[in-house]
Amino acid sequence: GENVEQHPSTLSVQEGDSAVIKCTYSDSASNYFPWYKQELGKRPQLIIDIRSNVGEKKDQRIAVTLNKTAKHFSLHITETQPEDSAVYFCAASNTGGYQKVTFGTGTKLQVIP
Amino acid sequence: AAGVIQSPRHLIKEKRETATLKCYPIPRHDTVYWYQQGPGQDPQFLISFYEKMQSDKGSIPDRFSAQQFSDYHSELNMSSLELGDSALYFCASSLGQPGSYEQYFGPGTRLTVT
Repeated sequence: GENVEQHPSTLSVQEGDSAVIKCTYSDSASNYFPWYKQELGKRPQLIIDIRSNVGEKKDQRIAVTLNKTAKHFSLHITETQPEDSAVYFCAASNTGGYQKVTFGTGTKLQVIP
Repeated sequence: AAGVIQSPRHLIKEKRETATLKCYPIPRHDTVYWYQQGPGQDPQFLISFYEKMQSDKGSIPDRFSAQQFSDYHSELNMSSLELGDSALYFCASSLGQPGSYEQYFGPGTRLTVT
């Protein structure tokens, strides 16, 4: 089965700085890579995703890059704000209509005002 | 926009009791997934259904069972509850068609076993 590793487990940045979270996956058949933000006690919320036919995707302050050869993908948050503080999960799935999502172990991001 | 609905939101049970969690997917979504999230842990996939048939199975204990009904809602039945079953249980839904990958999570049911 798929195995997703995520680093770092905790990350503290000053407000306005950038934050980078990295993930690797094991199953070369995985072709969909969502990122979720989860605040304490709340549901995971999809913030951005990337598919295997794309190398990079950007949405305002958030960008995701994918290197299929190396099986790496990363989340980049620029100009961080205190409200970005949360746990971020990367995930991978092999789509085909019935996909499950394998989550990474999470990164607790703290943005210091 | 309508979201995934889960009930109850909180549930307290004693060891060896049974519990039933319900999930109502977003309208038109035909795929439902169940996840278990322990404190400080990532969500662990339990089981999924597409068009009322089990489509994938993860780390779901034999004491748990689930099904999807004709109206696409799903129920997770948990028997012989153990202290370790205390967790947040999320349901997510999606359109099960190839090319539509996004999963939307419900608010979760917090199960506490005492």
